[in-house]
Amino acid sequence: SQQGEEDPQALSIQEGENATMNCSYKTSINNLQWYRQNSGRGLVHLILIRSNEREKHSGRLRVTLDTSKKSSSLLITASRAADTASYFCATDAGLYSGAGSYQLTFGKGTKLSVIP
Amino acid sequence: DVKVTQSSRYLVKRTGEKVFLECVQDMDHENMFWYRQDPGLGLRLIYFSYDVKMKEKGDIPEGYSVSREKKERFSLILESASTNQTSMYLCASSRLADKTLNEKLFFGSGTQLSVL
Repeated sequence: SQQGEEDPQALSIQEGENATMNCSYKTSINNLQWYRQNSGRGLVHLILIRSNEREKHSGRLRVTLDTSKKSSSLLITASRAADTASYFCATDAGLYSGAGSYQLTFGKGTKLSVIP
Repeated sequence: DVKVTQSSRYLVKRTGEKVFLECVQDMDHENMFWYRQDPGLGLRLIYFSYDVKMKEKGDIPEGYSVSREKKERFSLILESASTNQTSMYLCASSRLADKTLNEKLFFGSGTQLSVL
């Protein structure tokens, strides 16, 4: 049951440029999260935005959420070579699965390459 | 520093073998998850647990079982490994959340399992 879908699948930019990745989902959510994965490693949480929030910032990251369009975007400003990684959005699809637990569904990710 | 530790980084097993993947977290989290990640398919939830001895099926539980005898440890078991279970396996944990909030996941570094 795929919920979030990232776009584009791959993105290549020069160091210093901004990178924008998008995520679309299908059903109502409580919140949406973005994660980063360096090659062959586990995922690292970047930012969580709740359904009643429209924008959130964390350092060089800016996330927006448009619940009417069921979409979110992740903007990385002034990119660095170290930002090269895959980026995933994850949504809960509003499905409460047990005491204190919502299932998170991940998209297939956007592979970002930042060229020095 | 919070930590989710997976017992093996790389594992090679033969078809038909029983395989145990171990995951330990030191954050006293209630929730623990097992995902598999395959190219082009993203992360898919296999099983999760929100309490000791509790488990729930995810999207792709067939061919797998899990064990949660202690709060900090969540094991994934492949009863009879098959070649289509060759994959990257990711363990994650999160703390208990109320019904309107979801907490971020902390991931282990992953186990790349090859079944020959």
